[in-house]
Amino acid sequence: EVQLVESGGGLVQPGRSLRLSCTASGFTFGDYGMNWVRQAPGRGLEWVGFIGSEASGGTTEYAASVRGRFTISRDNSRSIAYLEMTSLKIEDTALYYCTRGRNYPRYWGQGTLVTVSS
Amino acid sequence: DIVMTQSPDSLAVSLGERATFNCKSNQSVLYISNDKNYIAWYQQKPGQPPKLLIYWASARESGVPDRFSGSGTGTDFTLTISSLQAEDVAVYYCLQYYNSPQTFGQGTKVEIK
Repeated sequence: EVQLVESGGGLVQPGRSLRLSCTASGFTFGDYGMNWVRQAPGRGLEWVGFIGSEASGGTTEYAASVRGRFTISRDNSRSIAYLEMTSLKIEDTALYYCTRGRNYPRYWGQGTLVTVSS
Repeated sequence: DIVMTQSPDSLAVSLGERATFNCKSNQSVLYISNDKNYIAWYQQKPGQPPKLLIYWASARESGVPDRFSGSGTGTDFTLTISSLQAEDVAVYYCLQYYNSPQTFGQGTKVEIK
């Protein structure tokens, strides 16, 4: 059974950093690209970024709203994808999901909540 | 970026009636070489992650009831619930994965009338 479990969320002050993790199980992690998608409280879904599979060299793509501040990486040996968030802004407050796959993500985690507030 | 616009923002339908809602992209998401529309539909209930319903605009995900169907091509797409059930109350999102960045519509909230 495919499982994605996000962790690392919490309350952080504006300008600070936070690293989220997505621990995967039930599939060969390195074979799949992984996305991060976020949802601000009471709002819609926003794609944050993507990291390609091991075969693709793990290339990354980012939404304009986070480019230069957020970095996605992966540890295929541990089946974990990371979202390193720096220079956090109040508008980054959201539930952050990781999802599997380049095209139509079929599998989503339950999300981890990031609250940026002073 | 491709902008996805859903309509209406909310919809109230009687149990057993048809619910239809739309998603429009500001550029075509039909990839000519494979004749596939790069559109998916998701259902999100409160406190849950989105659930994939439809991909390639009209392919129903395994386990999704056949009252859900997707249609459309190019820039205009529709999700139809043929006979609304109480458990279908949710917010529905379209997603284009034609190019990066992937973009979602703003969602359509479906309620019982």
